Amino acid sequence: DIQMTQSPSSLSASVGDRVTITCRASQGISNYLAWYQQKPGKVPKLLIYAASTLQSGVPSRFSGSGSGTDFTLTISSLQPEDVATYYCQKYNSALGGFTFGPGTKVDIK
Amino acid sequence: QVQLVESGGGVVQPGRSLRLSCAASGFTFSSYGMHWVRQAPGKGLEWVAVISYDGSNKYYADSVKGRFTISRDNSKNTLYLQMNSLRAEDTAVYYCAKQIAVAGTRAFDIWGQGTMVTVSS
Repeated sequence: DIQMTQSPSSLSASVGDRVTITCRASQGISNYLAWYQQKPGKVPKLLIYAASTLQSGVPSRFSGSGSGTDFTLTISSLQPEDVATYYCQKYNSALGGFTFGPGTKVDIK
Repeated sequence: QVQLVESGGGVVQPGRSLRLSCAASGFTFSSYGMHWVRQAPGKGLEWVAVISYDGSNKYYADSVKGRFTISRDNSKNTLYLQMNSLRAEDTAVYYCAKQIAVAGTRAFDIWGQGTMVTVSS
């Protein structure tokens, strides 16, 4: 099975900082990768799919990049409302294989 | 509006069964693959199972294979998760989620509010 890892597991940054979260797949997954945001006590929200496509309604300060095994989620200017845990997820073109990464918790310094 | 509403959670003893339901509204339910995802208290997200739009294909996480069964009734716009032989480690919030309507992409764009399942004696 393809495993997903994320780094760091948590980070603390100041408002306005550029924040980067890394997700790595144990094998190549092309661009079959999504990013989700889960605020405390809330339901997960889709931010990005196909590694770099911004979901409708998501602020443009969020961006994604990567292909194959290495992916990044970038918040260009961290805002207080971005405090959340961020998960990457792989999905295959065929059914099966929807593994989530362990998550990265983002706080405000 | 597009909505998913789970029900059926509760407290159950180890080894017993429980069936979760997810009522869909606001979209053509029969056109989309659907998933169950769970989250143990204080832990991350774990994908559980997927069913194709017509119910012909189903896949499960290894942790639930042989114990859980995903199904759907497109006439009732409802997704189900039959959970048998429940274990303490199945304790979690269970979410149903809809696949996004983008060709070649199976990310989850709509999530329900979740239903809590607690397995305890």
